[in-house]
Amino acid sequence: KQEVTQIPAALSVPEGENLVLNCSFTDSAIYNLQWFRQDPGKGLTSLLLIQSSQREQTSGRLNASLDKSSGRSTLYIAASQPGDSATYLCAVLYGNNRLAFGKGNQVVVIP
Amino acid sequence: NAGVTQTPKFQVLKTGQSMTLQCAQDMNHEYMSWYRQDPGMGLRLIHYSVGAGITDQGEVPNGYNVSRSTTEDFPLRLLSAAPSQTSVYFCASNRARTSTEVFFGQGTRLTVV
Repeated sequence: KQEVTQIPAALSVPEGENLVLNCSFTDSAIYNLQWFRQDPGKGLTSLLLIQSSQREQTSGRLNASLDKSSGRSTLYIAASQPGDSATYLCAVLYGNNRLAFGKGNQVVVIP
Repeated sequence: NAGVTQTPKFQVLKTGQSMTLQCAQDMNHEYMSWYRQDPGMGLRLIHYSVGAGITDQGEVPNGYNVSRSTTEDFPLRLLSAAPSQTSVYFCASNRARTSTEVFFGQGTRLTVV
């Protein structure tokens, strides 16, 4: 069974600091890894998708890396802003179209 | 594009009632799935479908039924609602398992009293 872990569960940072969110998964046989953002009471917004053959993806202030052999991904958010406050979810696509999710990193950016 | 549309957004049921959560996508995606999200548990897969007429169970299928008669629609049925089914339900779709991102609906918040 694929298990996904996200560390830390919650963190607070002052505005302007870089954010580093970690995700690990137990089975390296994945098709891709996706990072989502979820605001309270809302749905999931896709941030970045990394294919299993890729090492990283970038979008604006966001950069995600993938080390499939060691079962790890890291999401970097540069120069954090209060609007970045949300829960960030990591999910891996594996097996017969199954997504396995971590429990999320709850982020608060302090103005 | 509307993407993935879920209805209703909110629902309150009494224990023992049945209902259907609707999910529709307009992206011609082969794969569709249902997840539930509970505090401290993350998102867990209930049922999924790899195409019209084909469904399979996920991690937590008990108490739920699904069918996939068309590519666009993937309804989730609660046969006899229980308080343990109080949760937020998300429907998702994607084109092919090896390459594309998964798109989610906005969720249905269900309370069973």
